Amino acid sequence: ETGVTQSPTHLIKTRGQQVTLRCSSQSGHNTVSWYQQALGQGPQFIFQYYREEENGRGNFPPRFSGLQFPNYSSELNVNALELDDSALYLCASSTRLAAHTDTQYFGPGTRLTVL
Amino acid sequence: AQSVTQLGSHVSVSEGALVLLRCNYSSSVPPYLFWYVQYPNQGLQLLLKYTSAATLVKGINGFEAEFKKSETSFHLTKPSAHMSDAAEYFCAVTAPEGDKIIFGKGTRLHILP
Repeated sequence: ETGVTQSPTHLIKTRGQQVTLRCSSQSGHNTVSWYQQALGQGPQFIFQYYREEENGRGNFPPRFSGLQFPNYSSELNVNALELDDSALYLCASSTRLAAHTDTQYFGPGTRLTVL
Repeated sequence: AQSVTQLGSHVSVSEGALVLLRCNYSSSVPPYLFWYVQYPNQGLQLLLKYTSAATLVKGINGFEAEFKKSETSFHLTKPSAHMSDAAEYFCAVTAPEGDKIIFGKGTRLHILP
């Protein structure tokens, strides 16, 4: 059983550019959540995808968007990058059996630096 | 609204000593609570979770946490610290709709030789 994987591990972009981060869910998981972890902070929920549809969103602007594919892998897209978007982006997968008790399994993250 | 507060951004304990990391929660409904650990340059690993069953929850690596409703607390403990426990620890609670996890700001645990 493979765990959650993310690519790339590190990324450097400049302000105004666009970026796509990728996540492969753990085998058997149909739900993917994305989190942003700024330096020295706890992760903050961006959004969640269940069966290819957005299923909950945190307090992030529309320039943060996502996709989930039929194989349950996922992408996080960020347009018009700002300096404050520099952070570790974490993907977590789970099975949506009982939402409150779902255990989310996290990937190692993608470190995004915006210059 | 759901929230968690972790007391102490840094905690230092000697190897072999008791580890106590504090977490208080705020929730309008019965909460589901988690502790995650993050090692440097890695993602989050689940240590344990409370889902309204036993109030004393045992996790991996010898950690446990006790849910105390009267104190709205979910403190993490380990009887004897090991050097490998040095990491960042996050307390978290699920939102009522269950779609997201709300994390505390984290506590960095330092182990002194």
